[in-house]
Amino acid sequence: DAGITQSPRYKITETGRQVTLMCHQTWSHSYMFWYRQDLGHGLRLIYYSAAADITDKGEVPDGYVVSRSKTENFPLTLESATRSQTSVYFCASSDPTGATLSGANVLTFGAGSRLTVL
Amino acid sequence: KQEVTQIPAALSVPEGENLVLNCSFTDSAIYNLQWFRQDPGKGLTSLLLIQSSQREQTSGRLNASLDKSSGRSTLYIAASQPGDSATYLCAVMEYGNKLVFGAGTILRVKS
Repeated sequence: DAGITQSPRYKITETGRQVTLMCHQTWSHSYMFWYRQDLGHGLRLIYYSAAADITDKGEVPDGYVVSRSKTENFPLTLESATRSQTSVYFCASSDPTGATLSGANVLTFGAGSRLTVL
Repeated sequence: KQEVTQIPAALSVPEGENLVLNCSFTDSAIYNLQWFRQDPGKGLTSLLLIQSSQREQTSGRLNASLDKSSGRSTLYIAASQPGDSATYLCAVMEYGNKLVFGAGTILRVKS
């Protein structure tokens, strides 16, 4: 199916465990992003990637690791989960060139991954 | 650091009313401004994108304006319907295709 998919949609884990959230997009968008959404803070950027093998920190990167070996995948790893990382995580992608149907610079979001750290 | 503020935080209106949601941002060096809709427990859906050189964009009953010099945008919803009930998010795009979001306006349209 075309689009951007996140997995898992729901995850419960314990403090100290490693967790990986997956993101896959089928449009060949060059840019991909990870945001977290928390009450009182809105959406905050964790990491982003301009292309395969190029990643950069956003506003709240501490405690997270990303990689982008292929254009279509952008996994987010919590190396040692903490309670403060309980949140809803959204992956997004965009195409700055306007060559794809979504339009230049329009971010398209996945459905989100709800993570609870006990 | 860019900051985006949305007013009001919540709004409840009867069906059929026209309404305005407000968004302000502190740094006018933006590439574009985007409005999103988010339904409870769902992802974000793009509504409108206004390039920094544009003044407004329209889509159906929605009209968004941008005054970059004053750091303000408004989203106008005409003839509101219960199906418009959602959270509306404003975001500005900075260098690197990054979006900075406001906290959103929760809209409830009563039938």
